[in-house]
Amino acid sequence: NAGVTQTPKFRVLKTGQSMTLLCAQDMNHEYMYWYRQDPGMGLRLIHYSVGEGTTAKGEVPDGYNVSRLKKQNFLLGLESAAPSQTSVYFCASSYVDEKLFFGSGTQLSVL
Amino acid sequence: QKEVEQDPGPLSVPEGAIVSLNCTYSNSAFQYFMWYRQYSRKGPELLMYTYSSGNKEDGRFTAQVDKSSKYISLFIRDSQPSDSATYLCAMEAAQGGSEKLVFGKGTKLTVNP
Repeated sequence: NAGVTQTPKFRVLKTGQSMTLLCAQDMNHEYMYWYRQDPGMGLRLIHYSVGEGTTAKGEVPDGYNVSRLKKQNFLLGLESAAPSQTSVYFCASSYVDEKLFFGSGTQLSVL
Repeated sequence: QKEVEQDPGPLSVPEGAIVSLNCTYSNSAFQYFMWYRQYSRKGPELLMYTYSSGNKEDGRFTAQVDKSSKYISLFIRDSQPSDSATYLCAMEAAQGGSEKLVFGKGTKLTVNP
């Protein structure tokens, strides 16, 4: 049972480049989330989805877009990367009112 | 004042010690309290889940909630090197989706053999 899988695990971008992070879950969870984790800042919610075809903004949504075309997948896009987006990104999923299951993270560096 | 405050440590203890990890919060509406454990270069995983006040025990781990003081604790008995990780507290006001979950910044714990 894979759980929550994030790809890629590492990525280096130049300022202004774009990229998409992919999250896939095989637990049939309705809810999916994208967080970023920065030293001294903790986990901050970027965007989330409460079901296929839905998305909503979290605490720090600026500079990011998301899509949930299929229930098992949640994509996070950076259209024009900035050094401030250097971070570790975590995807998570859950049933409603249940615990979060996290992926192993994507280390992103923007130069 | 931040909604959730957690001392980042680091905390270093010898094997076998009792460890106490703590968080304070300001939102009196919080009712659901969690502790997540995060190993280096891994995602967080849920360790303990408590509703409202009181204690909950699971093996060597005890979660304690004092709503009157807005204070939660995680105790680890007979700590092991495998307990070395960052511990994140998390809390939310009501059921209805974990998008309102508020995390502490985490306390890094090292248990030395």
